[in-house]
Amino acid sequence: DTGVSQDPRHKITKRGQNVTFRCDPISEHNRLYWYRQTLGQGPEFLTYFQNEAQLEKSRLLSDRFSAERPKGSFSTLEIQRTEQGDSAMYLCASSLPGTDEQYFGPGTRLTVT
Amino acid sequence: GQSLEQPSEVTAVEGAIVQINCTYQTSGFYGLSWYQQHDGGAPTFLSYNALDGLEETGRFSSFLSRSDSYGYLLLQELQMKDSASYFCAVRDRQAGTALIFGKGTTLSVSS
Repeated sequence: DTGVSQDPRHKITKRGQNVTFRCDPISEHNRLYWYRQTLGQGPEFLTYFQNEAQLEKSRLLSDRFSAERPKGSFSTLEIQRTEQGDSAMYLCASSLPGTDEQYFGPGTRLTVT
Repeated sequence: GQSLEQPSEVTAVEGAIVQINCTYQTSGFYGLSWYQQHDGGAPTFLSYNALDGLEETGRFSSFLSRSDSYGYLLLQELQMKDSASYFCAVRDRQAGTALIFGKGTTLSVSS
């Protein structure tokens, strides 16, 4: 399967704990995006990488969120000191440059108790 | 800022045609995309319009009018498997490379 993969698919954590999610994009895609989606809403942009450089970050993104893409391949999204409001589906997408066609992974569903 | 408006729900029967409208406000428009998302699934790309007019891809077509800040997705010969949420999304100068999604339209197709 050469699609976007995400791990884990589900994560349940207690408030205050740190969590880390991984995204493996389609191998030839140099653009990688993180989105968050809550029930009944569209995906909300969090951050964007071109190769290993983090070029865009949503103003809504709390300082508790950090993302990396160290070698321009896979990416990680870490949430520190989780809060109940962080409960959502975290989606990763990748694309080639010059196109608006983004390929989404299956997402990581985070539940903060 | 940016905003997108689309109906929250649409219902139709198999074989029918349905149109999902999207109006947008952006600070510098690049293009309008449409994505489909089945329950529990990932969004999948359907179409992209950067210029005015109609783009056709099989049973699905997408239309854009830049002067009216309006677009629509047209689904023909509806099938049960088309029951899903449909999102319009824009990319504009303020958002940069990111897509800004609408809240989505839930399409229910019945037999």
